Amino acid sequence: ETGVTQTPRHLVMGMTNKKSLKCEQHLGHNAMYWYKQSAKKPLELMFVYNFKEQTENNSVPSRFSPECPNSSHLFLHLHTLQPEDSALYLCASSPSPREKLFFGSGTQLSVL
Amino acid sequence: QQQVKQSPQSLIVQKGGIPIINCAYENTAFDYFPWYQQFPGKGPALLIAIRPDVSEKKEGRFTISFNKSAKQFSLHIMDSQPGDSATYFCAASTGTDKLIFGTGTRLQVFP
Repeated sequence: ETGVTQTPRHLVMGMTNKKSLKCEQHLGHNAMYWYKQSAKKPLELMFVYNFKEQTENNSVPSRFSPECPNSSHLFLHLHTLQPEDSALYLCASSPSPREKLFFGSGTQLSVL
Repeated sequence: QQQVKQSPQSLIVQKGGIPIINCAYENTAFDYFPWYQQFPGKGPALLIAIRPDVSEKKEGRFTISFNKSAKQFSLHIMDSQPGDSATYFCAASTGTDKLIFGTGTRLQVFP
C-alpha cells in the first residue's frame, strides 16, 4: 500500500552542499514524520508534524531542517552534512499520531 | 527503558518452516505493539499489531504472541514462503506519538 511518494530516490552530496528531500502524501492524513534508517540500528524518529505544526523534534542536529507547508507535503532541508548522516531517510504519514504509519520508499542519502 | 530489543538479527529457514522473531521491552506503559515488514527498496509496511489485553492475534499466516508478565512479544510466520523474505521490525508505543522500533530481523526463506 503506497500513497506516500518521496523524491529523489537516491542522493549523493558533498559535505558543503545544500539539498532538500521531498515527501508528498495522497492519503488525506494529518500527521507526517521523518525517520532515519541506518544499518543494524532501530528506525530513528526525527520529526513529527500534526496539522502542519511540529510536535516533536527528537534532538536532531540543526543541519537537518524540516518544513511542512501543508498536511500533504513535507520537506527535509539538508546543509553541511557529515558522512555519518549517510542513511535511508523515510517519510511516513498517518491519519493522526499513534495511528498506523504509511511509509514512503525512502531517499538513500550518501554524504561524501 | 525506552528500548525494544529484537532478536535474532537474521534468520534463514526453508519453505514451509516457522520462523519466530522475538522482542522484549522494559517500559510497562507501552500499550501498542505493531510489526512492520520491509522489502528491499521499499519502506516498512504495517503487518499486524496487538494490544496487551490479548495474548495472541492471527492474521493469515502471521501470528503475534504476547506475554505481558514477561514483557515479551513474538512474531510467528506459519508455512513460510520465499515471498516472505524481508526485514521485520517490531515496535512499541505508549500514549504519546512516538513509536519505538527494534533493530530489525532479516528473514530469508529458501525454496
